[in-house]
Amino acid sequence: DQQVKQNSPSLSVQEGRISILNCDYTNSMFDYFLWYKKYPAEGPTFLISISSIKDKNEDGRFTVFLNKSAKHLSLHIVPSQPGDSAVYFCAASPRGIQGAQKLVFGQGTRLTINP
Amino acid sequence: NAGVTQTPKFRILKIGQSMTLQCTQDMNHNYMYWYRQDPGMGLKLIYYSVGAGITDKGEVPNGYNVSRSTTEDFPLRLELAAPSQTSVYFCASRNNVGNQPQHFGDGTRLSIL
Repeated sequence: DQQVKQNSPSLSVQEGRISILNCDYTNSMFDYFLWYKKYPAEGPTFLISISSIKDKNEDGRFTVFLNKSAKHLSLHIVPSQPGDSAVYFCAASPRGIQGAQKLVFGQGTRLTINP
Repeated sequence: NAGVTQTPKFRILKIGQSMTLQCTQDMNHNYMYWYRQDPGMGLKLIYYSVGAGITDKGEVPNGYNVSRSTTEDFPLRLELAAPSQTSVYFCASRNNVGNQPQHFGDGTRLSIL
């Protein structure tokens, strides 16, 4: 029973164009969502987050959109750069005691930016 | 600034052996976490701690134990290694103010043969 799903295992985008990574979730108790980026042999690095009280959050080239009714979020990267080539994980946190932030991760999407 | 440090980076164990994966952080974070990542899958929460002396189970705790005697350290113990525990293990920590994100170490790659 996968509560967070990234249905695209891989995505290839031309440098300078927009990259759109998608994520779906099933648990309506999730109220905080994050995107992490991961390079090989390194740990995940936090990219951007969004609370369930918002529908958009922007940070430089990165924007996350949240559609609560569809239980769907997406990450937009504009413009895409070669250094953006990595695996991207969507993660969600349910409301919890003491704000423990027990993250549930998607399977990841491998993004490749082509020159 | 070291952040979250995990040791060792790689380890091969035989079935039935035990070992401790070390995790230490120098950011004075109260919250610490252990995840495992199997090939082609997302990270799954094993155990977490909200402060020294307090630990709780995550999604996949069976076969593991943890302790949190100090704020800095959160070791993960495998008592009887099994092939199903072959995975990459990540430790993370975060500040307990608001919804601060988790900061991850670079992982320990563990193979059980």
